[in-house]
Amino acid sequence: QLQLQESGPGLVTSSESLSLTCTASGGSISTDNYYWGWVRQSPGKELEWIASIHHSGQTYRNPFHLSLKSRVTMSIDTSKNQFSLNLRSVTAADTAVYYCARHTVYYYAFDVWGQGAAVTVSS
Amino acid sequence: EIVMTQSPLSLPVTPGEPASISCRSSQSLLYANGYNYLDWYVQKPGQSPQLLFYLGSKRASGVPDRFSVGGSGTDFTLKISRVEAEDVGIYYCMQAMQTPTFGGGTRVEIK
Repeated sequence: QLQLQESGPGLVTSSESLSLTCTASGGSISTDNYYWGWVRQSPGKELEWIASIHHSGQTYRNPFHLSLKSRVTMSIDTSKNQFSLNLRSVTAADTAVYYCARHTVYYYAFDVWGQGAAVTVSS
Repeated sequence: EIVMTQSPLSLPVTPGEPASISCRSSQSLLYANGYNYLDWYVQKPGQSPQLLFYLGSKRASGVPDRFSVGGSGTDFTLKISRVEAEDVGIYYCMQAMQTPTFGGGTRVEIK
């Protein structure tokens, strides 16, 4: 059974970059049928989809959150069965729990989630 | 951006009693293929969200029969026929018609 596990620093300094990695186990991220994404949940706020990547490298980023879209880069390393999120120039507004999750190429149904990585941006 | 609105914000329920959660979208989620591009998730205390239903009415693996969904277009409902203690959590709807957006959540708690 596929499992996802996020890793990365729990504390990031404002204006620096946040890097998170999601490692898959019990299945391969090299499958054609799935995208691998990031969803975040700010304290007391709604869930927000950030971006998703396919093993081919094709990436989709949330177009409605312009300040987020311009700062997001995703990458994928199939040899390590990992994909990553890099968020530049973080501010306190980026403090959140970041989840990695899987959805199909046909439809945004996030059927497998990681346990979440809490990130605090400090000044 | 499609805005998702859920109600109520909080839903205290007596075990064994039914519960109903409403979700409305600012645009129709009914796709040309006849499916509503709407998912339901639950986030139990201390856990990640988990998928309950997708494509409007398709039940995810392991979801008990006491959960059901209804609605089409812009108005949707998630129902629990008889609430159990393990159903406590925050329930979210999410539209997948365009860039995914989630509702604000409905907290189900035991009275």
